[in-house]
Amino acid sequence: QITLKESGPTLVKPTQTLTLTCTFSGFSLSTSGVGVGWIRQPPGKALEWLALIYWDDDKRYSPSLKSRLTITKDTSKNQVVLTMTNMDPVDTATYYCAHLTPLTYYDILTGFYHKIEGSNFDYWGQGTLVTVSS
Amino acid sequence: QSVLTQPPSVSGAPGQRVTISCTGSSSNIGAGYDVHWYQQLPGTAPKLLIYGNSNRPSGVPDRFSGSKSGTSASLAITGLQAEDEADYYCQSLNVFGTGTKVTVL
Repeated sequence: QITLKESGPTLVKPTQTLTLTCTFSGFSLSTSGVGVGWIRQPPGKALEWLALIYWDDDKRYSPSLKSRLTITKDTSKNQVVLTMTNMDPVDTATYYCAHLTPLTYYDILTGFYHKIEGSNFDYWGQGTLVTVSS
Repeated sequence: QSVLTQPPSVSGAPGQRVTISCTGSSSNIGAGYDVHWYQQLPGTAPKLLIYGNSNRPSGVPDRFSGSKSGTSASLAITGLQAEDEADYYCQSLNVFGTGTKVTVL
């Protein structure tokens, strides 16, 4: 059974750096094809894709937030960490982490699995509300 | 930044059929990337509803169906039920749609 849970501060001040941790179970980030992503949702607004990390440590970022985001993984602890710098009140949102459905193809010539971009999120954490205010 | 455009709201009476459109661009849907759909009930995390354009995860009623053509995709709900009242989001590659609120009259 796959579960994910977000943790971190509920309140941060403007200009501070936010650090969120996603702790998961039921899968390993060392398994080919696996990925974990971060998505946020401001109160009453739409979902926003933030960042994604794959089993092979390949990373993807939202183009509009790339300069402020860093995603890392600790495979031994079953955790993924997202940091966002220079927080602003507009960054107030519920932040979710989610498991990416593995989507790969096997290269018989090299013996390696290669990722196929654009998979879906099949398991989500409950989300954590982060408020940015002085 | 790329965006997937959805109608803000759709509504229908119980038993009716409603559709939600998702319009993208040559950077996402039009580039051949799959479209996925999520349902979000009030105060809860999104739930995967359709993946890979038209596939339903186990447990999702067959009242929900998805399709994709060109730079757009659609979600259809047939036999609308009160429990379907929720927000719905499409996703392709690294972008989510603007969201659609479904109201059951």
